[in-house]
Amino acid sequence: DADVTQTPRNRITKTGKRIMLECSQTKGHDRMYWYRQDPGLGLRLIYYSFDVKDINKGEISDGYSVSRQAQAKFSLSLESAIPNQTALYFCATSDFSPASTFADTQYFGPGTRLTVL
Amino acid sequence: GESVGLHLPTLSVQEGDNSIINCAYSNSASDYFIWYKQESGKGPQFIIDIRSNMDKRQGQRVTVLLNKTVKHLSLQIAATQPGDSAVYFCAVETGANNLFFGTGTRLTVIP
Repeated sequence: DADVTQTPRNRITKTGKRIMLECSQTKGHDRMYWYRQDPGLGLRLIYYSFDVKDINKGEISDGYSVSRQAQAKFSLSLESAIPNQTALYFCATSDFSPASTFADTQYFGPGTRLTVL
Repeated sequence: GESVGLHLPTLSVQEGDNSIINCAYSNSASDYFIWYKQESGKGPQFIIDIRSNMDKRQGQRVTVLLNKTVKHLSLQIAATQPGDSAVYFCAVETGANNLFFGTGTRLTVIP
């Protein structure tokens, strides 16, 4: 089984709808992240969580919210989806390293392709 | 802030040749650098990393070179194989919880 799973893998929705993307990991990592990937742009960080009680905004958090339900689960919500949120969304996890904040290997899920019409 | 760019959006190499993929960054305070490989339909996969106190690090068939003077990072793949065909991008950490990703270079290996 994959270490980092994302559901759904593909989703088409309409403007104004609430959408939740889910991420689960079996790596036992404390740190989890949500990114979006757009053509011609690098991955951009939406939110990250260093443990269950810790949630932090990333570079582009507007229009998104997250919930860290457990160490292994981190969900991303779009409260009212808009077309420019059409993108590929990735969840990632990492272990802690004192040498670096994001440090060490980030393990990515397979991605969720979201289309907002 | 930080900006991260790759020099070429696409690169084609003959199977068996060496590949070099480049990345430039802007912030001299950047201290951790990572190369990822992303195959079609998959999430990014860690390849190799390097910290700012080093200028070279080698893995299996891959080498990362860091030139802090010109703020340049490169990934060298030896004896490139068809399975190496993917998008490669660098990520740069500048501390303060900031990790910036480049846009990627699509490597195509010609059999």
